Amino acid sequence: SQTIHQWPATLVQPVGSPLSLECTVEGTSNPNLYWYRQAAGRGLQLLFYSVGIGQISSEVPQNLSASRPQDRQFILSSKKLLLSDSGFYLCAWSRLDTQYFGPGTRLTVL
Amino acid sequence: QKEVEQDPGPLSVPEGAIVSLNCTYSNSAFQYFMWYRQYSRKGPELLMYTYSSGNKEDGRFTAQVDKSSKYISLFIRDSQPSDSATYLCAMSETSYDKVIFGPGTSLSVIP
Repeated sequence: SQTIHQWPATLVQPVGSPLSLECTVEGTSNPNLYWYRQAAGRGLQLLFYSVGIGQISSEVPQNLSASRPQDRQFILSSKKLLLSDSGFYLCAWSRLDTQYFGPGTRLTVL
Repeated sequence: QKEVEQDPGPLSVPEGAIVSLNCTYSNSAFQYFMWYRQYSRKGPELLMYTYSSGNKEDGRFTAQVDKSSKYISLFIRDSQPSDSATYLCAMSETSYDKVIFGPGTSLSVIP
């Protein structure tokens, strides 16, 4: 069966500090991968998606970036965090039409 | 008009009640419809998946799609306190398209 991991689970970072969130998927190959952000009381905002190694599409221009160095690894990064980057970050994978989510990372920027 | 709309709630019902959760959408090209359940501070988990119009039942859960009205519903029978969560509807045009999520409805089932 497929499993998706995210770490860290929680993170508190000062404004202006860098960020690196990691997501890995087990039990499948060549998945589509997604990064979402969910602000408190709001819906899921798609940030990036990837259909293959090195192939990244950005949905929302901002100070975040994503990379896919391996088939089942997806990384979300920032060079300098903003207060507005606080939120719940979710990684998801799909093969066809259904997306499956990881446990999420709760990021607080102070 | 937002692409997918959902009443945010919160919705509070007594244990054993029938719950109806709804979404409306504006894009008539949507064909794939999903419902996710998200417990507090957890990632969403897929509950139901349907293609095109019609009903689908899985245990206490029934998903209903009315494409002519651009309206989808999730019914929960014999609701339990463990059903307390936020329910997100989601939809896409094709199996390879991006999925659009509703903002979610918060449900509390009171024992």
